Amino acid sequence: GQNIDQPTEMTATEGAIVQINCTYQTSGFNGLFWYQQHAGEAPTFLSYNVLDGLEEKGRFSSFLSRSKGYSYLLLKELQMKDSASYLCAVRDSNYQLIWGAGTKLIIKP
Amino acid sequence: IAGITQAPTSQILAAGRRMTLRCTQDMRHNAMYWYRQDLGLGLRLIHYSNTAGTTGKGEVPDGYSVSRANTDDFPLTLASAVPSQTSVYFCASSERNTGELFFGEGSRLTVL
Repeated sequence: GQNIDQPTEMTATEGAIVQINCTYQTSGFNGLFWYQQHAGEAPTFLSYNVLDGLEEKGRFSSFLSRSKGYSYLLLKELQMKDSASYLCAVRDSNYQLIWGAGTKLIIKP
Repeated sequence: IAGITQAPTSQILAAGRRMTLRCTQDMRHNAMYWYRQDLGLGLRLIHYSNTAGTTGKGEVPDGYSVSRANTDDFPLTLASAVPSQTSVYFCASSERNTGELFFGEGSRLTVL
C-alpha cells in the first residue's frame, strides 16, 4: 500500500530552527510537495522537490532523497506565525497526490 | 481576486438529506479536485476531474458524485448524507503539469 509518515506534533522556540521529516512508500514517484495549513484555513503551497537535494526558499528549505524515500522541511528563524500544520504529499505514478496526516508545529516564545 | 470559491462555508444537515457543495474557480485550471479532511488523517481524494467533461474516482468516492459541465464549476453532491460524511471538504484546482494545488477555503459539513 501507499504510505506517508510524518510526526504528529512538534514544538520549537521562536527564533530557533526546526526540521520536519517525511518518509514515504508510494507506487511510483513524480515529486514531493510541502504545504502549510493554519488552523481553520486551507492548505497553501510551500515547496516542490522532484530531484535529490535541497531547495531553498527564504526561511524555508526542503530536502529530498529518492533512494531513501525521505524528505524534510527546514524552517529557520522561527516566527510565531509559523505555528501551523505542515503537510507532506507525494505524487504517484498516476499523478495523484498521496497525503500525510500532517505535522502540527507549535512555536513557543 | 482570482482563486477558488466554495459554498456553503458551513452547514448542518440531517441524515438522509441531499446536499450539494459548490466550487467555482476563475484561474482557468484544467484539473479540479474534491478532498475531505478529518482529524488525524491526511487529505483524502473523493473525486477529481482532469478537464471539463471528464471525472474520476478518488480514494473515497462512495456516497458522493460530481459533475464537470464547464472549466470553472465542479459541484460535489451527497445524495443521501450519513453521519460518517461529517468532515471539512476542500475543493482544489491545478494546472496538471505543475501539480501545485490551489485550495478553496473549505466547507465544514456536519451530518446529524
